[in-house]
Amino acid sequence: QKEVEQDPGPLSVPEGAIVSLNCTYSNSAFQYFMWYRQYSRKGPELLMYTYSSGNKEDGRFTAQVDKSSKYISLFIRDSQPSDSATYLCAMSGGSGYSTLTFGKGTMLLVSP
Amino acid sequence: GAVVSQHPSWVICKSGTSVKIECRSLDFQATTMFWYRQFPKQSLMLMATSNEGSKATYEQGVEKDKFLINHASLTLSTLTVTSAHPEDSSFYICSARDDGTSGFYSYNEQFFGPGTRLTVL
Repeated sequence: QKEVEQDPGPLSVPEGAIVSLNCTYSNSAFQYFMWYRQYSRKGPELLMYTYSSGNKEDGRFTAQVDKSSKYISLFIRDSQPSDSATYLCAMSGGSGYSTLTFGKGTMLLVSP
Repeated sequence: GAVVSQHPSWVICKSGTSVKIECRSLDFQATTMFWYRQFPKQSLMLMATSNEGSKATYEQGVEKDKFLINHASLTLSTLTVTSAHPEDSSFYICSARDDGTSGFYSYNEQFFGPGTRLTVL
């Protein structure tokens, strides 16, 4: 079993839809959870990060972490064509300077 | 702020040659940088952690003699792919931690470069 599982998609939605992206993980030591957005042939950019369980909202984006289920989600409201990208979840352990473990990424396509 | 650059953005080389990729933190100092490799439709795989002034720490399965890392200053790390072969063709991405930030989450935040696409013929 891989440490982080993420459906690669692609996930196709119409503009304005609510998008739900998810990752599951197996390592209970993960404490920090991040979502990155990566456009084609570009480096990832950090969208959201959370510590431990709970929700965090930033504009149209909401990140949720359920440590009891080892499940994290990213919701995108009112999706736009410019949101079309690959979304990678990433996680790290409880101590500072821990390395990141990435999911495969989910490709999202938002059609006008 | 927190910009990381990579050079070159793409490179094509012949099999057997060596290729050097640079990773620079433009507006911050980075004692720690990371090198990742990404195949199409695959995740970022950490290759090594680069520490300024000391030897890099390589992940299991990564040949340190093939992927030479030099972190000679607080703003520059280089990855040299020695005797490159077609199977080394990939997207190489670096990231850096900002030494100057503080806070609960900052220790884990990595700023990524735009990546270097290597094609070995």
